[in-house]
Amino acid sequence: DTEVTQTPKHLVMGMTNKKSLKCEQHMGHRAMYWYKQKAKKPPELMFVYSYEKLSINESVPSRFSPECPNSSLLNLHLHALQPEDSALYLCASSQGWFVGNEQFFGPGTRLTVL
Amino acid sequence: QKEVEQNSGPLSVPEGAIASLNCTYSDRVSQSFFWYRQYSGKSPELIMSIYSNGDKEDGRFTAQLNKASQYVSLLIRDSQPSDSATYLCAVPNAGGTSYGKLTFGQGTILTVHP
Repeated sequence: DTEVTQTPKHLVMGMTNKKSLKCEQHMGHRAMYWYKQKAKKPPELMFVYSYEKLSINESVPSRFSPECPNSSLLNLHLHALQPEDSALYLCASSQGWFVGNEQFFGPGTRLTVL
Repeated sequence: QKEVEQNSGPLSVPEGAIASLNCTYSDRVSQSFFWYRQYSGKSPELIMSIYSNGDKEDGRFTAQLNKASQYVSLLIRDSQPSDSATYLCAVPNAGGTSYGKLTFGQGTILTVHP
């Protein structure tokens, strides 16, 4: 089973709203990732959690706040976003945070900021 | 030079033909290579991983790796219209980045026409 689930599938929010994206995996993976993907571009890494600790923050603005409540769950809290933050937000997981570990993506959340 | 480069597309092949997708990478120490398929509006799906020089076959897909020449390719035999998608080459730790951080190529759009 290589399933990563994400909710919601679509999200529309205003610039003053606070919302959260959720990601879950039950593969026993110990590394989880948030990516952002704009149209016609490859995914861009935002955050990496390894063993529930934040390992990488790719200089993401503070209006994006990740959280890893346990080894299966990953959240991305959104606050005061800008229209340019509209994108497909992808969660991924892998067995570990090591070269060679395959990363499996969830279906994504399509975010529109008005 | 970009760390991971893919042959510029779009690539159009007739149904039943072999589609050849190429990817070069700049970091000689890269050890793992992944191919993802992404349908329009969907998330990337891992279709092939390759770690050793030579060929790796999985159904109609063959990945080829040549570390000396720093290229990895994906061949799709007996192409079907359902193979029409964007194909992303991904290399962990390319350019000496953190551990398993994936560096993606820009993607090659493949269209298989009946």
